[in-house]
Amino acid sequence: SQQGEEDPQALSIQEGENATMNCSYKTSINNLQWYRQNSGRGLVHLILIRSNEREKHSGRLRVTLDTSKKSSSLLITASRAADTASYFCATDGNNAGNMLTFGGGTRLMVKP
Amino acid sequence: DADVTQTPRNRITKTGKRIMLECSQTKGHDRMYWYRQDPGLGLRLIYYSFDVKDINKGEISDGYSVSRQAQAKFSLSLESAIPNQTALYFCATSDSRGPGEKLFFGSGTQLSVL
Repeated sequence: SQQGEEDPQALSIQEGENATMNCSYKTSINNLQWYRQNSGRGLVHLILIRSNEREKHSGRLRVTLDTSKKSSSLLITASRAADTASYFCATDGNNAGNMLTFGGGTRLMVKP
Repeated sequence: DADVTQTPRNRITKTGKRIMLECSQTKGHDRMYWYRQDPGLGLRLIYYSFDVKDINKGEISDGYSVSRQAQAKFSLSLESAIPNQTALYFCATSDSRGPGEKLFFGSGTQLSVL
């Protein structure tokens, strides 16, 4: 079963615009992570935010976490065509060993 | 060279055949994982191993088996492949000493079962 659910499933924007993707989850977590996947390739870790953190930045990425709403958002500012990829959130709660559980992903297309 | 290497990259097989997917890593990580990815369903955990003598079932282990031959090697076997095992398979590693369960993925094996 999926712990995290991304929204929207697909997003298409113009280069230079900001892209916002949301993730909702069901149970308590220790941390939440975002990953990126280029078409047919392996996932690459982008950023990790702990349950006691509310916001985190990494370059053009900004992640927020609201544990009261069990939700997170990933903002990519000033998007580029090279940001075209699928983005997944992953959470570590509600299972033995705190294994990561991935959502279904948001497919982002950035048009040049 | 890739830190997490999966072989083969693509495989086509027939129903009932036994196949093995292999994964090796040079990251020195103790933990290794096998996931499968189906369109729109994200990644689902098949098996994981915290060290050479530790093997655990994940969410969808039925029809699969694994072997941790060494700290750096973790193979996934399909004893008798069936068409609904057609998927993209990923191996991943993590370091238990790191802050949080950050995963490093291989490039994947696209498996088609006819």
